[in-house]
This record gives sequence, C-alpha cells and structure tokens, in this order.
Amino acid sequence: QKEVEQNSGPLSVPEGAIASLNCTYSDRVSQSFFWYRQYSGKSPELIMSIYSNGDKEDGRFTAQLNKASQYVSLLIRDSQPSDSATYLCAVRNTGNQFYFGTGTSLTVIP
Amino acid sequence: GAGVSQSPSNKVTEKGKDVELRCDPISGHTALYWYRQSLGQGLEFLIYFQGNSAPDKSGLPSDRFSAERTGGSVSTLTIQRTQQEDSAVYLCASSLTSGSVDTQYFGPGTRLTVL
Repeated sequence: QKEVEQNSGPLSVPEGAIASLNCTYSDRVSQSFFWYRQYSGKSPELIMSIYSNGDKEDGRFTAQLNKASQYVSLLIRDSQPSDSATYLCAVRNTGNQFYFGTGTSLTVIP
Repeated sequence: GAGVSQSPSNKVTEKGKDVELRCDPISGHTALYWYRQSLGQGLEFLIYFQGNSAPDKSGLPSDRFSAERTGGSVSTLTIQRTQQEDSAVYLCASSLTSGSVDTQYFGPGTRLTVL
C-alpha cells in the first residue's frame, strides 16, 4: 500500500464549476497535510496546508481534513482554465519525512 | 537570490558515470529537502537536512546516492555509477525551519538523463 494515494484522473470540469480532489494516506500518526499545484514542466508550488480536522479556506481553495478517515481533500471553487495542472497531495510524518501522491491531473474547460 | 536555485538544469550522462547535483536554498532557510520525480510519478522523498545534519537518510534509494550540506547552505546530491533507472527530475526544496507550519519552496529541478 502506498503512503499517499490519489486518483490520477484526468479530472475535467467546466469553467466556473467546483473541482474536488481527494487523497487518502496510510500513516495514522501523520502530522501535516499539503496540497501542491504543478504545471507541466514546472516545480510544485504550495496551495494549501492543513494540520487539524475540519475545513480551511483560502480564497477559492478549501482544504478538508478528516484524520479518523485518513482523508484529505481540496475543493476549488469557480474553477478557471489557469487552474489546469496536476495537484499533488503530500503528507508529513513525525519523522519529518514527506510522502507525495502521484497527483491528479485537472483540466478546466473554458 | 530570491528563490531556490539548482544546477545544472539538465544533465545527460552515460551509464556508470558519477554525477553531482547542486542546490542553493533560500538564504536563511535551515531545512533543505531532496526529492526525485520520475515521469508520471509523484515526488519521492530522498533526504532532508536540518542545518548540516541529515537526521534521516533512509529515503536514499541505494548506497550509490549520497548528499551533503556545508555551511548550512549549499547542498550537493551525488549519484555514483549512474544507472538508467536514475533518470528523473531531481528537485530541491528549502524551508525556514523543519517545523510543521513551514512552507517548502521548490527549486526548478535538475533533469537527469542516463543513457
């Protein structure tokens, strides 16, 4: 079992719709959770970080964490074509190791 | 500099040769991370440094891989006797500390191709 699992997609949504990206992790004692966006040929850039159960909102982005279910998600409201990228879920454990999922490819259709 | 820099940006080498990849973190960042990303794969955590120390090297895929950091700044990742499966993009990231709330900033990566 992989440490972090994501649906590879591709996920396509129309412009203006909500995009929902999901991630599960295997290490129950994981401490910190991150969503990165990676454009083709570019390096990952941090979108959201979340550390406690519940929702965290930042602009059009909302991260949701459920530690009991070992599940973290990212919602993108009012999706824009510029949101088209691969979204990587990352989990940090108590040993300061980071585990990344393989990413979900998102395409926002104008 | 303003961000994390890495060199070279591209490296093509022959199987069996040694390569050295360099990472310059953001000034003042004490934590530095190395990752590897193969085509269509997620990021594979290799090693991280807090200052000049590497508390955990277990992510390094084999003993052909080594990394060091001097002066709490520049880090080098060395791959000895390269193999074709080492071909990947090697990414470096730095953060202010290794604390859980710190953001990692990634460099542009080094694309390694082993022929």
